[in-house]
Amino acid sequence: RKEVEQDPGPFNVPEGATVAFNCTYSNSASQSFFWYRQDCRKEPKLLMSVYSSGNEDGRFTAQLNRASQYISLLIRDSKLSDSATYLCVVKGATDSWGKLQFGAGTQVVVTP
Amino acid sequence: EAGVTQFPSHSVIEKGQTVTLRCDPISGHDNLYWYRRVMGKEIKFLLHFVKESKQDESGMPNNRFLAERTGGTYSTLKVQPAELEDSGVYFCASARQDRATYEQYFGPGTRLTVT
Repeated sequence: RKEVEQDPGPFNVPEGATVAFNCTYSNSASQSFFWYRQDCRKEPKLLMSVYSSGNEDGRFTAQLNRASQYISLLIRDSKLSDSATYLCVVKGATDSWGKLQFGAGTQVVVTP
Repeated sequence: EAGVTQFPSHSVIEKGQTVTLRCDPISGHDNLYWYRRVMGKEIKFLLHFVKESKQDESGMPNNRFLAERTGGTYSTLKVQPAELEDSGVYFCASARQDRATYEQYFGPGTRLTVT
């Protein structure tokens, strides 16, 4: 079983619409959670951290459900520039605090 | 502030040859990480340096891979001899501190193709 699992998509979203997707993680000892964004053939870039109480950054909202071990990301008012692969990332479940564990990514395609 | 840089951006080598990848972290970042993405799979951790010391090398696939960070500045990752399954994108990341609140900044990656 993978440590971090994501629906690969693609999620085809009309511009201006809302899209949401989840990821699940297997290790209940995981401490920190993030969403990274990766554009085609580029490096991953931190989109936002995910806090227990849920958090919002502009059009992006992240939620964490520790009991069910899943993380969600919601994008409102989608822009063409939101087209990317969104990587669910977990860390802190091992002795190496810095080791990031990645999901395979969820592809989002925003269409005009 | 300059970001993480990696060299080369692409490398195509034959099976059995040797390749050395280089990563220059952001200045002042003591923590340096190597990751790899094999086609169709998720990005996977290889190892973590704190300055010149290996903090965690649990992700290194086998002894054909050798990572060094002499002087605690740039790092190299050597693959010798390369095998077909080593093909993928190798990312380097750096962070000021090894804490949850400190972002890891990724370099653009080295795309390695072993033929």
